[in-house]
Amino acid sequence: GAVVSQHPSWVICKSGTSVKIECRSLDFQATTMFWYRQFPKQSLMLMATSNEGSKATYEQGVEKDKFLINHASLTLSTLTVTSAHPEDSSFYICSARDPGGGGRTDTQYFGPGTRLTVL
Amino acid sequence: GQSLEQPSEVTAVEGAIVQINCTYQTSGFYGLSWYQQHDGGAPTFLSYNALDGLEETGRFSSFLSRSDSYGYLLLQELQMKDSASYFCAKGGTTDSWGKFQFGAGTQVVVTP
Repeated sequence: GAVVSQHPSWVICKSGTSVKIECRSLDFQATTMFWYRQFPKQSLMLMATSNEGSKATYEQGVEKDKFLINHASLTLSTLTVTSAHPEDSSFYICSARDPGGGGRTDTQYFGPGTRLTVL
Repeated sequence: GQSLEQPSEVTAVEGAIVQINCTYQTSGFYGLSWYQQHDGGAPTFLSYNALDGLEETGRFSSFLSRSDSYGYLLLQELQMKDSASYFCAKGGTTDSWGKFQFGAGTQVVVTP
């Protein structure tokens, strides 16, 4: 299957600082990437859709000024958590859409996730 | 709220067969995917159904009935390593850039 990497895998930061998380598709071009957050024992909550070369589309209730998304190339999207607070501590997961074709299905491949802890 | 419903937990013994059902609301339906997630890990893709019928991938099979707005994931010959959470995900329409909505997940516990 397709490979998506995410960096860093975990980060601990002080309240008020900003944290940048990178998501890369390694073996295919992803015009669309998605950012999710997941709390323990809960499902994935979509935060935003990131399209290469355009502004991200945020889900209702997600602050776009707090969670900055940049999709600079067909293989890289970044999520920056600005002025992080303890309530932002969560597991952040990106996915990259493979639209399919050539026998492949239209689906999403997930990065390994980033565990953010804000002290 | 959730537009996909799946059981919260299923327990079974090694070697058994488990079926995880998923019912969904039809708005914006484009396909049903299944993902496995182990504790602390990221979801991994298992299977996808865009059309009615059964898709078989090794020990795992997935089924979809669009007329019933229903699908299931079948896990056969259960192994201890299959203990994980399983999510069904409804794919969005092409207008929504393939956006997925996930069910709450089913925790599968495999016992010796």
